Order: sequence, then structure tokens, then C-alpha cells
Amino acid sequence: GAGVSQSPRYKVAKRGQDVALRCDPISGHVSLFWYQQALGQGPEFLTYFQNEAQLDKSGLPSDRFFAERPEGSVSTLKIQRTQQEDSAVYLCASSSVQGARNTEAFFGQGTRLTVV
Amino acid sequence: AQSVTQPDIHITVSEGASLELRCNYSYGATPYLFWYVQSPGQGLQLLLKYFSGDTLVQGIKGFEAEFKRSQSSFNLRKPSVHWSDAAEYFCAVGPLDTDKLIFGTGTRLQVFP
Repeated sequence: GAGVSQSPRYKVAKRGQDVALRCDPISGHVSLFWYQQALGQGPEFLTYFQNEAQLDKSGLPSDRFFAERPEGSVSTLKIQRTQQEDSAVYLCASSSVQGARNTEAFFGQGTRLTVV
Repeated sequence: AQSVTQPDIHITVSEGASLELRCNYSYGATPYLFWYVQSPGQGLQLLLKYFSGDTLVQGIKGFEAEFKRSQSSFNLRKPSVHWSDAAEYFCAVGPLDTDKLIFGTGTRLQVFP
């Protein structure tokens, strides 16, 4: 596609429910990032993939959060047993080369997760 | 500790006025520096970036930013603001030893006609 696509755009989950958020990066992009943006805050890094390899997951807040990119393209961020503090916008970004430092990272519109 | 600071949470300017959004960072070495804009319901869009070289960087939509090493700052400027510039602006740094971006808390820009 022309840009980074995320689905669903909005998700309401009951506390304790599992959710899966999908990211379709720009075709051919090597690097893929997940960020969490709480209300009124800047995005915070969650995890980074280079192709199918998860090279950095230091930002995942707990073991309830899990991300995968099995074929090096589409990625899924899974949150198990959602809690209210998980309510946020989850942003996905991709870039054409390794890492985001040396080139532009293109962001999707995000998935707004509300846990009730 | 490593940090990115945007001291202005909310700025209001009149259309046609000049604009400066502040950004300060704290790192051991000069990181890569970025400014992103986020309109309501939209993803982040890169305005400009600094890696090295000329400390005055030109970006899209008429924005520019100046890197000042002595002040650890990377302020964003625009000589004449348009109503369509109303959005949230984020400064971000890319530390040299990681692949992630670290964002500031953002500055919300409101433009009055």
C-alpha cells in the first residue's frame, strides 16, 4: 500500500480481554516499530523488528504484551488480559533501512485502544 | 538521564505571526534530531531531521529548525503561520546506540484567524 496501515482504528475492550492490533508496513520496508501514546503524551517505544527478527523489546511494559512479525512484513501486537492503563493509541512505523535514525520512519494512523 | 524536553505544552498564535517551538535534549553525545507533526486522527509526519552538517535545517511546509550544540537545543521555527499548521508537534531524538526514537511530550499549537 501507499502508507502504513493499522487496523482496527478503534478498539474497545473489556478489562481482562485479549486484543490483537495489526500493522501493515510499507511494502519492502525492513524496519518496523511499535509505539504507545498515552493521552497527552508523546509516543513511547515498545519494540523494534528488523525483518522478522525482534531486535529490541525493551519498551514492552509487561509480559502481557507480545509482538510478532513472522514473515517480515505484517506485524501484530497482542495484549493479554487488558488493563485500564493499557488504554492508549498504538502507533506502528516502518522504514526502508535498518533502524530509524538514518532515514524517515513512516507512521500509521494508529489504533486507539480503550479498556473499560 | 537521557531526556527530551518540550517546555511549552500549548502555544497560541495568530495567523501570519512567526512561531518558535522549543526542544531541549539531554544525552551524552549529539543524537539524531527530528521534528514530527501530528494532526487530529492522523499519524506522525516528519517535518525535518538533523544528522550532521549545517545546523540550520529546512523542512516541509515552510518549517526550519536550528541545532545549537552549546544549548542542547533543536528549536522549530516558521516565519508565518497558517491556520492549517494547528496540530501537535513532537521533537524526537535518535540516540546513537539504539534504533528507537525518543519523543518529547509535545506542544499543541493553536492558530487564531
